[in-house]
Amino acid sequence: DAKTTQPPSMDCAEGRAANLPCNHSTISGNEYVYWYRQIHSQGPQYIIHGLKNNETNEMASLIITEDRKSSTLILPHATLRDTAVYYCIVRATGGSYIPTFGRGTSLIVHP
Amino acid sequence: GAGVSQSPSNKVTEKGKDVELRCDPISGHTALYWYRQSLGQGLEFLIYFQGNSAPDKSGLPSDRFSAERTGGSVSTLTIQRTQQEDSAVYLCASSRRQGAVGTEAFFGQGTRLTVV
Repeated sequence: DAKTTQPPSMDCAEGRAANLPCNHSTISGNEYVYWYRQIHSQGPQYIIHGLKNNETNEMASLIITEDRKSSTLILPHATLRDTAVYYCIVRATGGSYIPTFGRGTSLIVHP
Repeated sequence: GAGVSQSPSNKVTEKGKDVELRCDPISGHTALYWYRQSLGQGLEFLIYFQGNSAPDKSGLPSDRFSAERTGGSVSTLTIQRTQQEDSAVYLCASSRRQGAVGTEAFFGQGTRLTVV
């Protein structure tokens, strides 16, 4: 699976949009982009995934560039409870798959 | 229950003792994973089960670590002769199946193991 690069930390004001970037310049055509987050002392939680179209669900939006070499996770109205480590993963379809988590981005939402 | 359940939530053991950690995956999920996370570190893959296939043990750090999955459901991670460096949170996850889109992994809350 392609490697991903994320900034180690970011901060955001409560109520504002949090935009978390991820670079995956070696992504292949059959690889999806997945996002998870891990709130302190909890297990990771799935957020969203996509292939090339932008995706939105009740938690977040995922914007994938046209060349698919990078993506941005958007939390439209961040709350204090969104403070967590956010992980960007790319994975291929087919065969076995073991989610590999890098160091992620530590997002701190402040009042 | 609706989610992945792990027990115990906390375990304190003496160095040299054996411990068993249990994971109940989501019903119907054929893939099951064990990870560990040391304080302030990322998730380290340990072992993966998929259906009736032989498990992928490539992440186990030593032969003191083993895991089994009975009946394709409940899994037990065993650590023999525990060492202080085994202290970590052990996380279990399950997913519907491999090789298809949408097979996001669902994680339990973990077992915090402390070796004293």
